[in-house]
Amino acid sequence: DTAVSQTPKYLVTQMGNDKSIKCEQNLGHDTMYWYKQDSKKFLKIMFSYNNKELIINETVPNRFSPKSPDKAHLNLHINSLELGDSAVYFCASSQDLGSGANVLTFGAGSRLTVL
Amino acid sequence: GDSVTQMEGPVTLSEEAFLTINCTYTATGYPSLFWYVQYPGEGLQLLLKATKADDKGSNKGFEATYRKETTSFHLEKGSVQVSDSAVYFCAPQGSNYQLIWGAGTKLIIKP
Repeated sequence: DTAVSQTPKYLVTQMGNDKSIKCEQNLGHDTMYWYKQDSKKFLKIMFSYNNKELIINETVPNRFSPKSPDKAHLNLHINSLELGDSAVYFCASSQDLGSGANVLTFGAGSRLTVL
Repeated sequence: GDSVTQMEGPVTLSEEAFLTINCTYTATGYPSLFWYVQYPGEGLQLLLKATKADDKGSNKGFEATYRKETTSFHLEKGSVQVSDSAVYFCAPQGSNYQLIWGAGTKLIIKP
């Protein structure tokens, strides 16, 4: 039973298209995240939600729009895809953002390739 | 601001060699410290953590000690295996409870 599951695992699309990635966690965690990992493995936080409320919104183009319908789900929609959006996107969750040791559980990643 | 500096990779070792991956950080107060590991084609997973000075985190033969005086959290393993080949990330917890990610160190173990 996967703790943090993302779909799709692979996504190949053309520039200019719109796509979505979905994430679900069954851990009962309050906080969920989207990270982007580039080809050099550098990890950058994009968004974070706590109990469906957006709490972190890093400098990300507004073509990226997260949505959290409930605290177990966090989706990422990307409009007008560009070549530079090609990356692996990771969803993660944690028990409570304000805890002393904020352990993240990651999904397996969604590899987006923009042609 | 909060930051972390991690040993640049790739680090290539032979099986059974001793491993050290250096990590130093700058953060306010006494942050919790983490090492995460990413095996090929997978997401990151917690390897070990330490929440206060002089704590030693350990898991799967890996260890790291929270050194407040040197603001370091170096990862060590006495005898590496081919299956340890992965990317290792040092991540202190910043003042806003968010993790500050190092650049990752790719470890390659040759048989």
